[in-house]
Amino acid sequence: NAGVTQTPKFRILKIGQSMTLQCTQDMNHNYMYWYRQDPGMGLKLIYYSVGAGITDKGEVPNGYNVSRSTTEDFPLRLELAAPSQTSVYFCASSYRSTGLDTEAFFGQGTRLTVV
Amino acid sequence: RKEVEQDPGPFNVPEGATVAFNCTYSNSASQSFFWYRQDCRKEPKLLMSVYSSGNEDGRFTAQLNRASQYISLLIRDSKLSDSATYLCAVTFSQAGTALIFGKGTTLSVSS
Repeated sequence: NAGVTQTPKFRILKIGQSMTLQCTQDMNHNYMYWYRQDPGMGLKLIYYSVGAGITDKGEVPNGYNVSRSTTEDFPLRLELAAPSQTSVYFCASSYRSTGLDTEAFFGQGTRLTVV
Repeated sequence: RKEVEQDPGPFNVPEGATVAFNCTYSNSASQSFFWYRQDCRKEPKLLMSVYSSGNEDGRFTAQLNRASQYISLLIRDSKLSDSATYLCAVTFSQAGTALIFGKGTTLSVSS
């Protein structure tokens, strides 16, 4: 029972490099989210998607891009990495956002360092 | 004003103590409310949803006060294993809106 799978778990990037953080869920969830968590801070929403083909900005979208071509996958793209993007990134999914079946399931996180 | 606010703590309590956390939200249209638990260097996991009438799960009790726009979490008879960060989260009533988290409150239970 895989749930939400994120890859890679760790990554070191140089300033200006680009990379894609992968996220896959096998629960047929409609909603998927990307959050970043800085030390001692809560989760800040980067982007989210309510279904395939639909994405929307969260609280801190600058410097990131997403796509949702399938229900299962929601990759996060960093085009020009900056030290301010050093963080732990969590992908999550849920069946709904309100009402029943709203529990969000998280991946194990990607620890990204930009140097 | 931030959408979801929590007292960051840390709360340091002895085993057996009762501890309460509050979380305020700014959007009166908020619809769904949750408490998540996050252990150090791990992903958050749902502790409990918060219902309008309040709900209890063992030693944990969650309350919602819509008039004052806050939710609370009460932990009775604290255990060492309760040491973690507790995050409140809310969604809004419009369809298609996302789950917004507070910064979290850190609890440390000592023997």
